[in-house]
Amino acid sequence: QSVLTQPPSASGTPGQRVTISCSGGSFDIGSNAVNWYQRLPGTAPRLLIYDNNQRPSGVPDRFSGSKSGTSASLAISGLLADDEADYYCATWHDILNGYVFGTGTKVTVL
Amino acid sequence: DEQLVESGGGLVQPGRSLRLSCTTSGFTFGDYAMSWVRQAPGKGLEWVGFIRSKAYGGRTEYAASVEGRFTISRDDSKSIAYLQMNSLKTEDTAVYYCTRVYIEVMTAVSFYLDYWGQGTPVAVSS
Repeated sequence: QSVLTQPPSASGTPGQRVTISCSGGSFDIGSNAVNWYQRLPGTAPRLLIYDNNQRPSGVPDRFSGSKSGTSASLAISGLLADDEADYYCATWHDILNGYVFGTGTKVTVL
Repeated sequence: DEQLVESGGGLVQPGRSLRLSCTTSGFTFGDYAMSWVRQAPGKGLEWVGFIRSKAYGGRTEYAASVEGRFTISRDDSKSIAYLQMNSLKTEDTAVYYCTRVYIEVMTAVSFYLDYWGQGTPVAVSS
């Protein structure tokens, strides 16, 4: 059972903005940097956002991350059909002394 | 280009053992921590554990679900990370991914998985 909670699904039409939330606690999101991963169908996950709001090279600036207190968010603007995927937040947990993933959100482009 | 290739997956009976390998190239393996992540059928991502670089003692950390049964090791001379899985259970059935880790500890922990392999499937069934 994950300690980070995400909505199971989110959707939007092409061009829209979609936001995914990630809720945690004081020993995970509240203390450490949040990362986001994208898992496209049939492919391995890839790092999408690191250190709350940083994009690795090659990730479009349509993807942005933010963090406030014990919650974080991933925003996808200008939604494309290719953005249909599962998205996971993750961070280090100080008490569990391990890395924890969120429950995952499936994004559908209508 | 950084590359990670997992191998060693397959079908195994409950209670038996299996060792996965992660062969890497394109970066200085010894400078990095390495981690394993799994995804069971129809489930989300689950972190399995990680091993620090030798500069940080090569120490390991594991998820509670595998602690005492799984062991992560590394061979820096071959640029390979391993996941030894003992006393396997049906709930260990998953695709196992090897990842490279970036970790920095200051006032907060910055820990993320920047490169992933394609995964190797493990099925535990009688």
